[in-house]
Amino acid sequence: GAVVSQHPSWVICKSGTSVKIECRSLDFQATTMFWYRQFPKQSLMLMATSNEGSKATYEQGVEKDKFLINHASLTLSTLTVTSAHPEDSSFYICRSIGGYTFGSGTRLTVV
Amino acid sequence: QKEVEQNSGPLSVPEGAIASLNCTYSDRGSQSFFWYRQYSGKSPELIMFIYSNGDKEDGRFTAQLNKASQYVSLLIRDSQPSDSATYLCAVIGRAGGTSYGKLTFGQGTILTVHP
Repeated sequence: GAVVSQHPSWVICKSGTSVKIECRSLDFQATTMFWYRQFPKQSLMLMATSNEGSKATYEQGVEKDKFLINHASLTLSTLTVTSAHPEDSSFYICRSIGGYTFGSGTRLTVV
Repeated sequence: QKEVEQNSGPLSVPEGAIASLNCTYSDRGSQSFFWYRQYSGKSPELIMFIYSNGDKEDGRFTAQLNKASQYVSLLIRDSQPSDSATYLCAVIGRAGGTSYGKLTFGQGTILTVHP
Protein backbone atom coordinates (compact mmCIF):
# COMPACT_ATOMS: atom_id res chain seq x y z
CA GLY A 1 0.00 0.00 0.00
CA ALA A 2 0.79 3.72 -0.09
CA VAL A 3 2.31 3.68 -3.56
CA VAL A 4 3.75 7.04 -4.51
CA SER A 5 4.32 8.35 -8.01
CA GLN A 6 6.97 11.05 -8.31
CA HIS A 7 7.64 13.41 -11.22
CA PRO A 8 9.79 14.45 -12.90
CA SER A 9 12.47 11.78 -12.74
CA TRP A 10 15.15 14.26 -13.56
CA VAL A 11 15.36 17.94 -14.28
CA ILE A 12 18.10 20.35 -15.28
CA CYS A 13 17.50 24.00 -14.59
CA LYS A 14 19.41 27.23 -14.71
CA SER A 15 20.62 28.88 -11.56
CA GLY A 16 18.02 31.27 -10.18
CA THR A 17 14.99 29.47 -11.57
CA SER A 18 12.44 27.43 -9.66
CA VAL A 19 11.61 23.77 -10.00
CA LYS A 20 8.50 21.92 -8.85
CA ILE A 21 8.53 18.25 -7.90
CA GLU A 22 5.29 16.33 -7.51
CA CYS A 23 4.47 13.30 -5.44
CA ARG A 24 1.12 11.62 -5.89
CA SER A 25 -0.30 8.99 -3.63
CA LEU A 26 -1.93 6.42 -5.90
CA ASP A 27 -3.73 4.10 -3.52
CA PHE A 28 -3.85 5.83 -0.20
CA GLN A 29 -5.17 9.06 1.23
CA ALA A 30 -1.88 10.59 2.24
CA THR A 31 -2.43 13.04 5.04
CA THR A 32 1.30 13.31 5.43
CA MET A 33 4.19 13.14 2.98
CA PHE A 34 7.86 13.04 3.88
CA TRP A 35 10.44 14.73 1.67
CA TYR A 36 14.03 13.55 1.69
CA ARG A 37 17.20 14.76 0.03
CA GLN A 38 20.23 12.68 -0.81
CA PHE A 39 23.56 14.14 -1.86
CA PRO A 40 26.04 11.96 -3.76
CA LYS A 41 27.56 9.20 -1.64
CA GLN A 42 25.48 10.23 1.35
CA SER A 43 22.41 8.82 3.00
CA LEU A 44 18.87 10.13 2.90
CA MET A 45 18.15 13.13 5.08
CA LEU A 46 14.64 14.18 5.97
CA MET A 47 13.99 17.72 4.80
CA ALA A 48 10.39 18.32 5.71
CA THR A 49 7.04 16.80 6.48
CA SER A 50 4.03 18.02 4.56
CA ASN A 51 0.56 17.79 6.05
CA GLU A 52 -2.62 18.02 4.06
CA GLY A 53 -4.34 21.30 4.65
CA SER A 54 -1.74 22.75 6.99
CA LYS A 55 1.76 24.10 7.03
CA ALA A 56 4.71 21.83 6.48
CA THR A 57 7.25 21.26 9.21
CA TYR A 58 10.89 21.58 8.31
CA GLU A 59 13.91 19.88 9.77
CA GLN A 60 16.62 21.95 11.35
CA GLY A 61 18.77 23.69 8.80
CA VAL A 62 16.29 23.46 5.94
CA GLU A 63 15.16 26.86 4.62
CA LYS A 64 11.38 26.91 4.44
CA ASP A 65 11.36 29.91 2.11
CA LYS A 66 13.59 28.13 -0.33
CA PHE A 67 11.85 24.76 -0.29
CA LEU A 68 8.17 25.49 -0.61
CA ILE A 69 5.85 22.62 0.16
CA ASN A 70 2.21 22.43 -0.77
CA HIS A 71 -0.09 19.61 0.27
CA ALA A 72 -3.47 20.80 -0.84
CA SER A 73 -5.10 17.42 -1.33
CA LEU A 74 -4.88 13.91 0.04
CA THR A 75 -3.25 12.68 -3.13
CA LEU A 76 -0.74 15.36 -4.04
CA SER A 77 2.20 16.99 -2.33
CA THR A 78 4.61 19.27 -4.15
CA LEU A 79 8.07 20.54 -3.34
CA THR A 80 9.24 23.69 -5.12
CA VAL A 81 12.91 24.55 -5.03
CA THR A 82 12.94 28.31 -5.45
CA SER A 83 15.85 30.32 -6.83
CA ALA A 84 17.81 27.13 -7.29
CA HIS A 85 21.58 27.16 -7.04
CA PRO A 86 24.16 24.52 -7.92
CA GLU A 87 24.40 23.48 -4.27
CA ASP A 88 20.73 22.45 -4.44
CA SER A 89 21.63 19.78 -6.96
CA SER A 90 20.61 16.57 -5.31
CA PHE A 91 18.30 13.57 -5.40
CA TYR A 92 14.90 14.41 -3.92
CA ILE A 93 12.64 11.57 -2.80
CA CYS A 94 9.22 11.45 -1.19
CA ARG A 95 7.38 8.91 0.95
CA SER A 96 3.80 8.75 2.12
CA ILE A 97 3.07 8.11 5.78
CA GLY A 98 0.88 5.20 4.76
CA GLY A 99 3.79 3.02 3.75
CA TYR A 100 7.49 2.50 3.66
CA THR A 101 8.14 2.64 -0.04
CA PHE A 102 9.54 5.71 -1.70
CA GLY A 103 8.79 7.57 -4.85
CA SER A 104 11.17 6.99 -7.72
CA GLY A 105 13.04 10.17 -6.92
CA THR A 106 13.90 13.34 -8.80
CA ARG A 107 17.46 14.07 -9.83
CA LEU A 108 17.86 17.86 -9.84
CA THR A 109 20.84 19.42 -11.52
CA VAL A 110 21.24 23.17 -11.34
CA VAL A 111 23.63 24.67 -13.87
CA GLN B 1 26.34 9.80 18.74
CA LYS B 2 24.48 9.29 15.49
CA GLU B 3 20.94 8.06 15.78
CA VAL B 4 21.52 5.19 13.40
CA GLU B 5 24.94 3.79 12.62
CA GLN B 6 25.94 1.12 10.17
CA ASN B 7 29.14 -0.85 10.03
CA SER B 8 31.65 0.87 7.85
CA GLY B 9 32.13 -0.52 4.41
CA PRO B 10 32.61 -1.21 1.75
CA LEU B 11 31.90 -4.89 2.19
CA SER B 12 33.05 -7.34 -0.42
CA VAL B 13 31.99 -10.98 -0.48
CA PRO B 14 32.33 -13.75 -3.07
CA GLU B 15 29.31 -15.01 -4.92
CA GLY B 16 27.44 -17.62 -2.91
CA ALA B 17 28.70 -16.38 0.45
CA ILE B 18 26.72 -14.87 3.29
CA ALA B 19 26.85 -11.10 3.55
CA SER B 20 26.30 -9.65 7.01
CA LEU B 21 25.24 -6.05 7.47
CA ASN B 22 24.96 -4.46 10.88
CA CYS B 23 23.21 -1.46 12.36
CA THR B 24 22.88 0.09 15.81
CA TYR B 25 20.45 2.73 16.96
CA SER B 26 20.44 5.13 19.86
CA ASP B 27 16.75 5.60 20.71
CA ARG B 28 15.67 2.70 22.89
CA GLY B 29 12.03 3.55 22.22
CA SER B 30 12.32 3.01 18.47
CA GLN B 31 9.47 0.96 17.13
CA SER B 32 10.35 -0.63 13.83
CA PHE B 33 13.44 -1.24 11.79
CA PHE B 34 13.88 -1.35 8.06
CA TRP B 35 16.40 -2.49 5.52
CA TYR B 36 16.53 -0.86 2.12
CA ARG B 37 18.62 -1.61 -0.92
CA GLN B 38 19.64 1.23 -3.19
CA TYR B 39 21.20 0.83 -6.57
CA SER B 40 23.22 3.72 -7.93
CA GLY B 41 20.99 6.50 -9.21
CA LYS B 42 17.81 4.82 -7.99
CA SER B 43 15.43 5.29 -5.14
CA PRO B 44 15.75 2.96 -2.12
CA GLU B 45 13.66 -0.18 -2.30
CA LEU B 46 12.36 -1.86 0.81
CA ILE B 47 13.81 -5.30 1.48
CA MET B 48 12.14 -6.04 4.77
CA PHE B 49 11.21 -4.68 8.15
CA ILE B 50 11.22 -6.12 11.64
CA TYR B 51 9.71 -4.96 14.92
CA SER B 52 9.95 -7.96 17.22
CA ASN B 53 13.06 -9.35 18.82
CA GLY B 54 14.49 -12.32 17.01
CA ASP B 55 14.83 -13.32 13.40
CA LYS B 56 12.63 -12.69 10.41
CA GLU B 57 13.30 -14.50 7.18
CA ASP B 58 12.22 -13.64 3.66
CA GLY B 59 13.80 -15.70 0.95
CA ARG B 60 17.56 -15.20 1.02
CA PHE B 61 17.26 -12.36 3.50
CA THR B 62 17.13 -12.62 7.28
CA ALA B 63 16.73 -9.64 9.56
CA GLN B 64 17.74 -9.97 13.19
CA LEU B 65 16.69 -7.63 15.95
CA ASN B 66 18.03 -7.36 19.47
CA LYS B 67 16.32 -4.49 21.26
CA ALA B 68 18.32 -4.97 24.46
CA SER B 69 21.52 -4.36 22.53
CA GLN B 70 19.85 -1.86 20.19
CA TYR B 71 21.15 -3.80 17.27
CA VAL B 72 19.65 -4.91 13.99
CA SER B 73 21.31 -6.87 11.23
CA LEU B 74 20.64 -8.19 7.76
CA LEU B 75 22.02 -11.44 6.45
CA ILE B 76 22.01 -12.17 2.75
CA ARG B 77 22.51 -15.84 1.97
CA ASP B 78 23.83 -17.12 -1.34
CA SER B 79 24.90 -13.62 -2.32
CA GLN B 80 24.63 -12.78 -6.00
CA PRO B 81 26.37 -10.09 -8.05
CA SER B 82 22.94 -8.50 -8.46
CA ASP B 83 22.93 -7.92 -4.69
CA SER B 84 25.74 -5.41 -5.14
CA ALA B 85 24.26 -2.14 -3.91
CA THR B 86 24.16 0.21 -0.97
CA TYR B 87 22.18 -1.14 1.97
CA LEU B 88 20.46 1.33 4.22
CA CYS B 89 19.24 0.68 7.72
CA ALA B 90 16.36 2.86 8.89
CA VAL B 91 14.54 3.29 12.15
CA ILE B 92 11.13 4.74 12.82
CA GLY B 93 10.42 6.82 15.87
CA ARG B 94 8.24 5.85 18.75
CA ALA B 95 4.49 6.42 18.64
CA GLY B 96 3.48 9.73 20.16
CA GLY B 97 6.94 11.21 19.80
CA THR B 98 7.97 14.00 17.49
CA SER B 99 9.69 11.51 15.24
CA TYR B 100 6.68 9.28 14.80
CA GLY B 101 6.32 8.16 11.22
CA LYS B 102 9.71 9.53 10.27
CA LEU B 103 12.38 7.22 9.00
CA THR B 104 15.92 7.99 10.13
CA PHE B 105 18.63 6.40 8.03
CA GLY B 106 22.09 5.14 8.70
CA GLN B 107 24.88 6.17 6.41
CA GLY B 108 24.61 3.01 4.34
CA THR B 109 26.97 0.15 3.62
CA ILE B 110 28.18 -0.54 0.11
CA LEU B 111 28.13 -4.24 -0.68
CA THR B 112 29.98 -5.74 -3.60
CA VAL B 113 29.45 -9.37 -4.52
CA HIS B 114 32.17 -10.54 -6.84
CA PRO B 115 31.87 -13.58 -9.10
